[in-house]
Amino acid sequence: DAGVIQSPRHEVTEMGQEVTLRCKPISGHNSLFWYRQTMMRGLELLIYFNNNVPIDDSGMPEDRFSAKMPNASFSTLKIQPSEPRDSAVYFCASSLALAGEDLEQYFGPGTRLTVT
Amino acid sequence: RKEVEQDPGPFNVPEGATVAFNCTYSNSASQSFFWYRQDCRKEPKLLMSVYSSGNEDGRFTAQLNRASQYISLLIRDSKLSDSATYLCVVNENTGFQKLVFGTGTRLLVSP
Repeated sequence: DAGVIQSPRHEVTEMGQEVTLRCKPISGHNSLFWYRQTMMRGLELLIYFNNNVPIDDSGMPEDRFSAKMPNASFSTLKIQPSEPRDSAVYFCASSLALAGEDLEQYFGPGTRLTVT
Repeated sequence: RKEVEQDPGPFNVPEGATVAFNCTYSNSASQSFFWYRQDCRKEPKLLMSVYSSGNEDGRFTAQLNRASQYISLLIRDSKLSDSATYLCVVNENTGFQKLVFGTGTRLLVSP
């Protein structure tokens, strides 16, 4: 299996620009997570999808952030407009969620975003 | 107060040493617990789950104390390849696997 695929791996953009991060989860997984990691705050959950439906977006920092999952094999995280404080590593993870069972979340390699 | 707290380290130990990491969590309703490992500039990967009775996986032993809301990881006979950041992770059990990560403890194993 190819694992979770994320693109781009690195993104450098100027403040005010739109940024779109992409994720392809592991085939057959029904849960998808977007995380952000910074030195100060560590790894934080931004949003969680189950069967392509957003279940919990309480971690999305503000309206500049939006996420979609149009089908089981693709998700995007968009920042518009971007700000320097959005600079971080953004991870996508997927898992197979079954009732009453915690199954491992598999992380993608991350997108390192720098906003200047 | 952070939901999951860890000593950031770094812990510098020689090969062959035994090292222990601790973690505390604030949500008493948490039901499942994990240790993840993250290598420099890589993604986190599950190291092991932590069970109430304690569990062992080779050189790694995890313990849970629910009364004190405390989790530990013990690494015996450290290898150079154990150098990484170890993340304490708690599932807040809100109906799905909502993982809350500690900021990690960095381990450096030297020859």
